[in-house]
Amino acid sequence: QSALTQPASVSGSPGQSITISCTGTSSDVGGSNLVSWYQQHPGKAPKLIIYEGSRRPSGVSDRFSGSKSGNTASLTISGLQAEDEADYYCFSYERGSAFEVFGGGTKLTVL
Amino acid sequence: EVQLVESGGGLVEPGESLRVSCVASGITLKDVWMSWVRQAPGKGLEWVGRIKNKGDGGTTVYAAPVKGRFTISRDDSKNTLYLQMNSLETEDTAVYYCAKYGVSGQFDYWGQGTLVTVSS
Repeated sequence: QSALTQPASVSGSPGQSITISCTGTSSDVGGSNLVSWYQQHPGKAPKLIIYEGSRRPSGVSDRFSGSKSGNTASLTISGLQAEDEADYYCFSYERGSAFEVFGGGTKLTVL
Repeated sequence: EVQLVESGGGLVEPGESLRVSCVASGITLKDVWMSWVRQAPGKGLEWVGRIKNKGDGGTTVYAAPVKGRFTISRDDSKNTLYLQMNSLETEDTAVYYCAKYGVSGQFDYWGQGTLVTVSS
């Protein structure tokens, strides 16, 4: 099972919007509505920010949004803030599957 | 409040074994699916494996790199999750996190991680 494909890095200025893609196959992202996204600051545990492709847990800013088209899921962060600088990972879960896989991770730099 | 606290990491030599633990509070481990996720230094997250709740049979599945060497188990009396790691390789050096599954396959709670270093 190969890792889902994410860009290694993205950057944006405060106030701008950025989108991070997560590309898989019809066997994972394309066949599942259960993609989740995680934010990880250096030295910290990952934090869930999106689940079921587009839903936000309680307490997560509405500046974070998720979507999917075909085999690619996307995370959009609007109104970039300095605190958004972190690593972001997608994860694909499919009921009944024996494999689960993370994306390779994307480092977001806020300029 | 759900809390997951890992322990048991350390320095071991290649070929040796180590067991890391994850003590849970605020949840009953036998009622939830749990996973181990690792992160090698400077690298991304890697799913290691999972264990289903007791009601779903308590079965386990593993990622290919650890299958046959790692075992996930649970002690319901101690509300503790374990990861038994045998035949450790230098490539297994990582921070190991335990994580709880939500109903939609997301990891809604994570521990703080425990560092396992495999080196001679």
